Amino acid sequence: EAGVVQSPRYKIIEKKQPVAFWCNPISGHNTLYWYRQNLGQGPELLIRYENEEAVDDSQLPKDRFSAERLKGVDSTLKIQPAELGDSAVYLCASSRRGGGTEAFFGQGTRLTVV
Amino acid sequence: AQSVTQPDIHITVSEGASLELRCNYSYGATPYLFWYVQSPGQGLQLLLKYFSGDTLVQGIKGFEAEFKRSQSSFNLRKPSVHWSDAAEYFCAVGGSNYKLTFGKGTLLTVNP
Repeated sequence: EAGVVQSPRYKIIEKKQPVAFWCNPISGHNTLYWYRQNLGQGPELLIRYENEEAVDDSQLPKDRFSAERLKGVDSTLKIQPAELGDSAVYLCASSRRGGGTEAFFGQGTRLTVV
Repeated sequence: AQSVTQPDIHITVSEGASLELRCNYSYGATPYLFWYVQSPGQGLQLLLKYFSGDTLVQGIKGFEAEFKRSQSSFNLRKPSVHWSDAAEYFCAVGGSNYKLTFGKGTLLTVNP
């Protein structure tokens, strides 16, 4: 089966500009996660979807970050405006359901804000 | 709050030597525990997981991990390391709250 697909792989933008990341989860996976991984750190959850509903967005900086998962499949994560501190790798993952089931990760989008 | 501590930031071993990566967790109920591996520029790949049952779990690439509730630990082991095992390793804890929390990772270097 195809894995989690993310695009773009790399993105360089100037601060204050907007940016968007796209994720296509594994077919049949109802749960979708967005994580941010800072250099030298483990991934940190930004938002979790169950189908099209955002069920945990407590760690999402809502003043500048937004996400959507239309039709419960693909998802987009947006930052507007970007700040220097947003430079990180943004990882998308999916699983069949939440809780302890295995999450499969995409290759990530490396964002550099200059 | 749930958390994971990986005490070793960087470990260097010789090829063919044994390996143990440490992981301690904090979780208020029965945890689900995971080890993931990340190669440079790649996403995370699951090595193994513990949900319940046998506390010694086998994973891919010859890795195993042992869940010790009394020590709140889930250490990863491999009897003989290969050069291709060089990567960063992350321990993670999750559970019925559906939140997966990762440690900061341990970078493994393998000397020839």
